[in-house]
Amino acid sequence: QKEVEQDPGPLSVPEGAIVSLNCTYSNSAFQYFMWYRQYSRKGPELLMYTYSSGNKEDGRFTAQVDKSSKYISLFIRDSQPSDSATYLCAMTLTGNQFYFGTGTSLTVIP
Amino acid sequence: DADVTQTPRNRITKTGKRIMLECSQTKGHDRMYWYRQDPGLGLRLIYYSFDVKDINKGEISDGYSVSRQAQAKFSLSLESAIPNQTALYFCATSDGPGLYGYTFGSGTRLTVV
Repeated sequence: QKEVEQDPGPLSVPEGAIVSLNCTYSNSAFQYFMWYRQYSRKGPELLMYTYSSGNKEDGRFTAQVDKSSKYISLFIRDSQPSDSATYLCAMTLTGNQFYFGTGTSLTVIP
Repeated sequence: DADVTQTPRNRITKTGKRIMLECSQTKGHDRMYWYRQDPGLGLRLIYYSFDVKDINKGEISDGYSVSRQAQAKFSLSLESAIPNQTALYFCATSDGPGLYGYTFGSGTRLTVV
């Protein structure tokens, strides 16, 4: 069983839609959770990070962690064509080793 | 200039050749990492270094070696390239444990024929 599972998509939505991206994980000890955005032919860039359970909001983006279900989500409100990218989740216990999801490809259609 | 610079951006090499991928950073971060990215497998850690005198193997270090020439420079070598090392390679840095995330370079697309 992989440490982190992420549906690869692809996901295609119309502009303005709410997007929900998700990851599940197997290690209940993970404490730090991140979402990266990766544009084509670029390296991943950190979008959001959260510690332990709860929600964190940054503009149109909301990261949610449910440790009881071992499930994390990234919501994008009012999605824009510029949000078209691959989204990677990542998590760690101490920061010495990160576990990445395989990424979900998102296309926002104008 | 980019915070984390990788060279070359693209490389095609033949089986059995030795190749070096280079990474330099201006972030002032102590920790540097090499990852490879493959479709369906995600990012996998090859090697990491917490400072100039510290080198550690990651999940998939076989067939690779690294050198930390300075705080700002971390290179990855494939001693004898093989086709299944065809992948996208990323260098990353972090300030401490990276609990607030990594800074990634733009990647090197390596093809071994």
